[in-house]
Amino acid sequence: EPEVTQTPSHQVTQMGQEVILRCVPISNHLYFYWYRQILGQKVEFLVSFYNNEISEKSEIFDDQFSVERPDGSNFTLKIRSTKLEDSAMYFCASSDPDSTDTQYFGPGTRLTVL
Amino acid sequence: GNSVTQMEGPVTLSEEAFLTINCTYTATGYPSLFWYVQYPGEGLQLLLKATKADDKGSNKGFEATYRKETTSFHLEKGSVQVSDSAVYFCALSDANTGNQFYFGTGTSLTVIP
Repeated sequence: EPEVTQTPSHQVTQMGQEVILRCVPISNHLYFYWYRQILGQKVEFLVSFYNNEISEKSEIFDDQFSVERPDGSNFTLKIRSTKLEDSAMYFCASSDPDSTDTQYFGPGTRLTVL
Repeated sequence: GNSVTQMEGPVTLSEEAFLTINCTYTATGYPSLFWYVQYPGEGLQLLLKATKADDKGSNKGFEATYRKETTSFHLEKGSVQVSDSAVYFCALSDANTGNQFYFGTGTSLTVIP
């Protein structure tokens, strides 16, 4: 069964450094999403992406965040200058154009900012 | 706005016990409702969904009914197994807000033999 994959599974970085989290959505999906979950808190929406542009973003998704689909398979989340409070689990998701209300999630990347 | 409130955990049950995990929601439109499950070390997997009032989603012995009158989508299973040990997330998506998902906090379930 096709699945969303994410790399790395765990990323440790120093405060102020840039990180790129990578996702490979399901191949025929056209809608892509990033969510995050700070330890002990809810999974929160960050951004949705369709047709090579951001379609929705939350107030969390400020200027330090960016997303990109650099080729036909990858979908990346970049955090330019990480802060301690960016430490969280980051989930990528994708959805089928015929069933956009259902999203398929990857296993997550645990980001630790020191 | 949209939000999901989910029963706090952790929940510990003996094998073959009955499971209920409560979930209520608030929504501005007509959301679709979901239960996702996260097994240790894995991602969020869709367990079941319901897209309109009175729909019942079911999968792997789990069921949940979309109750508009009580704004609830409680997860139930008649007889849990050790392999059901996981974290369960209730969620909604609303086409009025671009189908972004709103999640509950997750409920950790441990089933002991």
